[in-house]
Amino acid sequence: GEEVAQTPKHLVRGEGQKAKLYCAPIKGHSYVFWYQQVLKNEFKFLISFQNENVFDETGMPKERFSAKCLPNSPCSLEIQATKLEDSAVYFCASSQLGDTAGNTIYFGEGSWLTVV
Amino acid sequence: GQSLEQPSEVTAVEGAIVQINCTYQTSGFYGLSWYQQHDGGAPTFLSYNGLDGLEETGRFSSFLSRSDSYGYLLLQELQMKDSASYFCAVPNRDDKIIFGKGTRLHILP
Repeated sequence: GEEVAQTPKHLVRGEGQKAKLYCAPIKGHSYVFWYQQVLKNEFKFLISFQNENVFDETGMPKERFSAKCLPNSPCSLEIQATKLEDSAVYFCASSQLGDTAGNTIYFGEGSWLTVV
Repeated sequence: GQSLEQPSEVTAVEGAIVQINCTYQTSGFYGLSWYQQHDGGAPTFLSYNGLDGLEETGRFSSFLSRSDSYGYLLLQELQMKDSASYFCAVPNRDDKIIFGKGTRLHILP
C-alpha cells in the first residue's frame, strides 16, 4: 500500500490483559519502527526491524513487550499483562532505507491504547 | 546520550512568521529533521538539514548550525491549519530517530 496502515485505531484493555497491535508498512519499505507516544509528548523509540529481522530493540521493555515482522504478514506489537502506564498512542513507521539520516520515514495514524 | 531541547509552546498570529528553536546534544551527528503532528494525527516529515544553512520548502524553512548544535524551523505566512505540534529529531548512529518533546504552536486569528 501507499501508506502505513495500523490497526486497531482504538483499543481498550483492562489492566493485566493482553494487547496486540498491527502494522502494515508501505509496500517496498524494508524498515519498520515502533514508537510510543504518551499524552502527546515525546516519542519513545521501542524497536525497529529490517524485513523480519530485529534491527534495534534497545527501547523495548522486554518483560512484557514483544514484536514481530513475519514475511507476508503485518508486523505486530504485543503487550502482555498491560499496565496503566502503557496507555499511549503506538505509532508504526516505515522507511525504504535504514539510513534515517535525510531519509524520510512515514508514520501510520497510530493505535490508541487505553488501559483501564 | 542524546537529547533535544525545544520550547513547549509558542503562540503567533495568523499571517505572521514564527521560529521554533531546537538545540541538541548527540554522540555523532547525522542531521536534524522536523516533523509536524496535528492533534490525533500521524507525524509527517517536514524537512531535513544535513549541512549548515537554510533549507526552504514553500512557507517552511529549516536552518542548521552544527557548530552551535542548533537549528530552527521557520514558518511564514501562518495559517490556522499550521496549528500543530512540531518536533525536531535526530537520527542516531543506530538509525533510530530520537525526537524532541515537541513544540505546540498556537495560532491566533
